[in-house]
Amino acid sequence: QKEVEQNSGPLSVPEGAIASLNCTYSDRGSQSFFWYRQYSGKSPELIMSIYSNGDKEDGRFTAQLNKASQYVSLLIRDSQPSDSATYLCAVPSGSGYALNFGKGTSLLVTP
Amino acid sequence: EAQVTQNPRYLITVTGKKLTVTCSQNMNHEYMSWYRQDPGLGLRQIYYSMNVEVTDKGDVPEGYKVSRKEKRNFPLILESPSPNQTSLYFCASSLMGNENQAFFGQGTRLTVV
Repeated sequence: QKEVEQNSGPLSVPEGAIASLNCTYSDRGSQSFFWYRQYSGKSPELIMSIYSNGDKEDGRFTAQLNKASQYVSLLIRDSQPSDSATYLCAVPSGSGYALNFGKGTSLLVTP
Repeated sequence: EAQVTQNPRYLITVTGKKLTVTCSQNMNHEYMSWYRQDPGLGLRQIYYSMNVEVTDKGDVPEGYKVSRKEKRNFPLILESPSPNQTSLYFCASSLMGNENQAFFGQGTRLTVV
């Protein structure tokens, strides 16, 4: 079983601040990494994917990958109350077909 | 519109009464899977399918069955539901290959009493 670990939170940040969400994974051979956002009672939706070491930016979101440390993070700049959700880190299994999800980090952005 | 459609969205049933949750996708994806989500346990894969007539167990397959007779449909069957199968269920589909994102259905909240 390939493991994906996240702090469950809740992580509370004030509106306008940077939220930093972290994820570690156990399979050194993993090549792709995904961040999903899930609002309470709703389905997960993909917000970022990253495949290479370094940073990838998309609007207010930045994904950071460090394969040597087996660490992937998601930064949310200028956090808004609408960003309050659970953020799931996902890494494909060894076969590449199943997605292994972390348990998610709950983010609360306070006005 | 590209989507994964699950039905029903909500279901309350009694122990032992067979039920089926349907899942259909319109994106011609080869790969489909079922997850259950429980507080504190996250998303856990129940079954997956890599193509028509090809299915395999995920992490928590006990008490569930699936079939993949057509590419677009992947129903989840609970032959004899029990209260420990009360959960939020998601169907997902994707293209094959680990660089492809998964698209999720809206979820089915199942309660077994």
